[in-house]
Amino acid sequence: DVKVTQSSRYLVKRTGEKVFLECVQDMDHENMFWYRQDPGLGLRLIYFSYDVKMKEKGDIPEGYSVSREKKERFSLILESASTNQTSMYLCATRPGTLNTEAFFGQGTRLTVV
Amino acid sequence: QQPVQSPQAVILREGEDAVINCSSSKALYSVHWYRQKHGEAPVFLMILLKGGEQKGHDKISASFNEKKQQSSLYLTASQLSYSGTYFCGTPALKGTASKLTFGTGTRLQVTL
Repeated sequence: DVKVTQSSRYLVKRTGEKVFLECVQDMDHENMFWYRQDPGLGLRLIYFSYDVKMKEKGDIPEGYSVSREKKERFSLILESASTNQTSMYLCATRPGTLNTEAFFGQGTRLTVV
Repeated sequence: QQPVQSPQAVILREGEDAVINCSSSKALYSVHWYRQKHGEAPVFLMILLKGGEQKGHDKISASFNEKKQQSSLYLTASQLSYSGTYFCGTPALKGTASKLTFGTGTRLQVTL
């Protein structure tokens, strides 16, 4: 069974704090993704990575950065959290070959107060 | 740009049928479909490939119109277990990277 583990299910942070969301996968997948999920907006891609130290911006990268120092771990960083970053954050992984499915973590519900 | 899904939400009685549509402004070479039950992670349903090949679910079918850049998911004789939010996903190649963008979601509720 593929396992994608996000470090926290719920997180409450203060405005201006630096926030780290961690995602770990055990399937040796090349691709890893961070999405945020908001009602009516679906899943929006923040950043993705196709290899160690390689990253690409998604559709809404502003206010976020990422780090992938090891293949199994992909971190999302909020440099200075703001209330409009309150959301559900989902990590996903996918093999490097075409026509393969994505596997999701359970999500982190982040509240910025 | 995100694919747009319609309808945004639908309520069905058990046994009724539903169609969920996904429309992209970009050329597609395949379409994914996922279902997310309340409080859970999205789970893969199927992939539709150019040329009509379909991989995945045995009780839910889908179509893929490459020219119109659209896909539709067909849920027939719906069951209570079909309730959830459905997302289409559109892979795209960006250099050597494989980007996966998801749609706006369709919330489906099946009632007795």
